[in-house]
Amino acid sequence: SQTIHQWPATLVQPVGSPLSLECTVEGTSNPNLYWYRQAAGRGLQLLFYSVGIGQISSEVPQNLSASRPQDRQFILSSKKLLLSDSGFYLCAWSTGGAGQPQHFGDGTRLSIL
Amino acid sequence: KQEVTQIPAALSVPEGENLVLNCSFTDSAIYNLQWFRQDPGKGLTSLLLIQSSQREQTSGRLNASLDKSSGRSTLYIAASQPGDSATYLCAVGIYGQNFVFGPGTRLSVLP
Repeated sequence: SQTIHQWPATLVQPVGSPLSLECTVEGTSNPNLYWYRQAAGRGLQLLFYSVGIGQISSEVPQNLSASRPQDRQFILSSKKLLLSDSGFYLCAWSTGGAGQPQHFGDGTRLSIL
Repeated sequence: KQEVTQIPAALSVPEGENLVLNCSFTDSAIYNLQWFRQDPGKGLTSLLLIQSSQREQTSGRLNASLDKSSGRSTLYIAASQPGDSATYLCAVGIYGQNFVFGPGTRLSVLP
């Protein structure tokens, strides 16, 4: 069966520090991968998605970037965190093609001090 | 641009009651609609997926319907239990294998 792992579960970082969140998927090949942010009291905002290695699409201009160095690995990064980067970050995957369901990881709670 | 809304924003019901959560979307050109459950501080758990060609899906006490032409979906929960307390989100699948999420309905089932 397929599983998705996100780490760390929680992270507290000072303003201006770098960030690296990792997401890996097991049990499937060539998945579509997604990064979402959920701010307090708000809905999920799609940040990045990827349909293959090295292919990244950005939905919202921001202080963050994403990379997909391997088929089932998706990384969210920042060189310098802002206070506004605080939130709950969720990674998700789906099989290729339209009409497929999304499956989510447990999320990373990021607090910027 | 696709927009998804959910009504009500919050709902509190006594245990055993049947309830309906609503989801509306502005563009009927969707591939599917997915309902999720989110417990506090946790990720999303998929409940039901309805393809654009389908009218409804059922899983246990849950039934989701889809009326694509009117831009609406409902999630019906029968005989609610305290364990059903969570935030329920709907998401529509759009062109490009992406999903647009609603803001969610926070459900509290009181024992």
